[in-house]
Amino acid sequence: EPEVTQTPSHQVTQMGQEVILRCVPISNHLYFYWYRQILGQKVEFLVSFYNNEISEKSEIFDDQFSVERPDGSNFTLKIRSTKLEDSAMYFCASSERAANEKLFFGSGTQLSVL
Amino acid sequence: DQQVKQNSPSLSVQEGRISILNCDYTNSMFDYFLWYKKYPAEGPTFLISISSIKDKNEDGRFTVFLNKSAKHLSLHIVPSQPGDSAVYFCAASARGSNYKLTFGKGTLLTVNP
Repeated sequence: EPEVTQTPSHQVTQMGQEVILRCVPISNHLYFYWYRQILGQKVEFLVSFYNNEISEKSEIFDDQFSVERPDGSNFTLKIRSTKLEDSAMYFCASSERAANEKLFFGSGTQLSVL
Repeated sequence: DQQVKQNSPSLSVQEGRISILNCDYTNSMFDYFLWYKKYPAEGPTFLISISSIKDKNEDGRFTVFLNKSAKHLSLHIVPSQPGDSAVYFCAASARGSNYKLTFGKGTLLTVNP
């Protein structure tokens, strides 16, 4: 079965540093998402991306965050200046249609901000 | 802001018995509900969904029931198998927001052999 691939699986960074989390969505999917899960808490929506633009974003997704689809296969999440509270598991997901259809999630990137 | 609530953090059942996982929601704009299963070190995997125009959807051993008046849904797994042991997340999407899922905190199901 096709899958969403995320790299790296773990990322450790110093507070204030920039990080880029990478994702390769399933090739025929048109909708792309980032979610995160802080340890012990629920999975939270960050942003959705369709047709090369953000279609929806949450309050968490402030100016420190950005997303990009730099080529036909990759989808990235950039955090410009990381904070301690950005430490979480970040999940990329994609879907053929909108989110109220089935989402396919990657295995996640565990981001630790020290 | 817990629009989707899974009040049981964990559930333990015997193999072969029924597992019932519950979920409550508060946002009346939610019109589509999904269950995801998550194993350690993996991302959530879609399990089953239900539209608000239905009150039941079945797929093999998995059945989801929706009670709109009570704003409650449940996932039934019967018979439960040890491989079903995972965290189960309830999720919902709202009319007019096709791009965003709101998740509950999850319920850890343990199926004992």
